[in-house]
Amino acid sequence: QVQLKESGPGLVQPSQTLSLTCTVSGFSLSSYGVIWVRQPPGKGLEWMGVIWGNGNTNYNSALKSRLSISRDTSKSQVYLKMNSLQTEDTATYYCARDQTGDYWGQGVMVTVSS
Amino acid sequence: DIVMTQGVLPNPVPSGESASITCRSSKSLVYKDGKTYLNWFLQRPGQSPQLLTYWMSTRASGVSDRFSGSGSGTYFTLKISRVRAEDAGVYYCQQVREYPLTFGSGTKLEIK
Repeated sequence: QVQLKESGPGLVQPSQTLSLTCTVSGFSLSSYGVIWVRQPPGKGLEWMGVIWGNGNTNYNSALKSRLSISRDTSKSQVYLKMNSLQTEDTATYYCARDQTGDYWGQGVMVTVSS
Repeated sequence: DIVMTQGVLPNPVPSGESASITCRSSKSLVYKDGKTYLNWFLQRPGQSPQLLTYWMSTRASGVSDRFSGSGSGTYFTLKISRVRAEDAGVYYCQQVREYPLTFGSGTKLEIK
């Protein structure tokens, strides 16, 4: 069955770089896109970006200068890297399949703090 | 960016009653293929969002027919018939018509 699982550090220091991995199963990254969405504690959802099945990417313009999404299809993994983290980047980070968002991971909580 | 504006529900809603959640977009979500690129999600407390409908009115796999999406190019409604305790949570609309994809701020549904 289709599954996505996010992994990464729970704590990142301000100004450092966040690196997250989304490991998928049950579908091919060459056929489906994967999106990243984040949610600050007690707040709403923010779309961050997408990597398509052909490898092309689109980013939220508000994050574009700091954000990079890549993948390794042989490992069924999608990567998110975001630099210059600030406290306002504290959030639960989700990956989901395709821009429809028909399947989601359970999310990973990232706290930005010294 | 397309701004998505969601309405507020008169909570709590009695179990068995209907609830309608509204969402408005700052730009038409109808694409040249005739489809309306609007998704609805439910996020239960402590859980990931769950897709309810896409293309405005197509229910996702496994979603109860108590959920129905409707609307025009810029005004949308998610109707929940015969609400149950399991329907409680925050509902989000999302436009997938153009980048950046944007969500509404969410509408909380409480069940009595």
